[in-house]
Amino acid sequence: KQEVTQIPAALSVPEGENLVLNCSFTDSAIYNLQWFRQDPGKGLTSLLLIQSSQREQTSGRLNASLDKSSGRSTLYIAASQPGDSATYLCAASNDYKLSFGAGTTVTVRA
Amino acid sequence: ETGVTQTPRHLVMGMTNKKSLKCEQHLGHNAMYWYKQSAKKPLELMFVYSLEERVENNSVPSRFSPECPNSSHLFLHLHTLQPEDSALYLCASSLNRGHEAFFGQGTRLTVV
Repeated sequence: KQEVTQIPAALSVPEGENLVLNCSFTDSAIYNLQWFRQDPGKGLTSLLLIQSSQREQTSGRLNASLDKSSGRSTLYIAASQPGDSATYLCAASNDYKLSFGAGTTVTVRA
Repeated sequence: ETGVTQTPRHLVMGMTNKKSLKCEQHLGHNAMYWYKQSAKKPLELMFVYSLEERVENNSVPSRFSPECPNSSHLFLHLHTLQPEDSALYLCASSLNRGHEAFFGQGTRLTVV
């Protein structure tokens, strides 16, 4: 059974600082690793998807890395803004199943 | 707008009621999913349909009954629920297994 862990559970930073969010998973036989953003009471917005054969993926200020052999992924958010405040979830894909971590709640202070 | 639409957005129901949640995707995807998000817990997969066939049932109680009449629509029929079933229910779709998943805005269900 895939277990996904996200550290830290919460993070508060001043505006402009870079964010580093960590995700670990126990079963390395994944199809892909996906990062999502969730605002309070809302659904999930897909941020980045890294295929199992890739090492990293970038979109604007976001960069995600994947080390499948060690079961780790990291999401980097450069030059954080108050609008980046949200909960960030990572999910590991095995066949049809996405297994989620509990999330990291980020607060960016203006 | 993710291309996945859920209705209703909010639902309050008594324990003896029967209600249904609806999900529709306009992305041409072949797989659709129901997830449950309870307070302080990670998202839990409930059901997966691929090309209208159920391919995953994650030990969900029978008071939750899914239906997938075609590849664009997914329903979750609810009956005799318990207060602990109160949660955010999320629908998602993907092109196929292992592809990027897109989520709806969710239905906030409260069982009284």
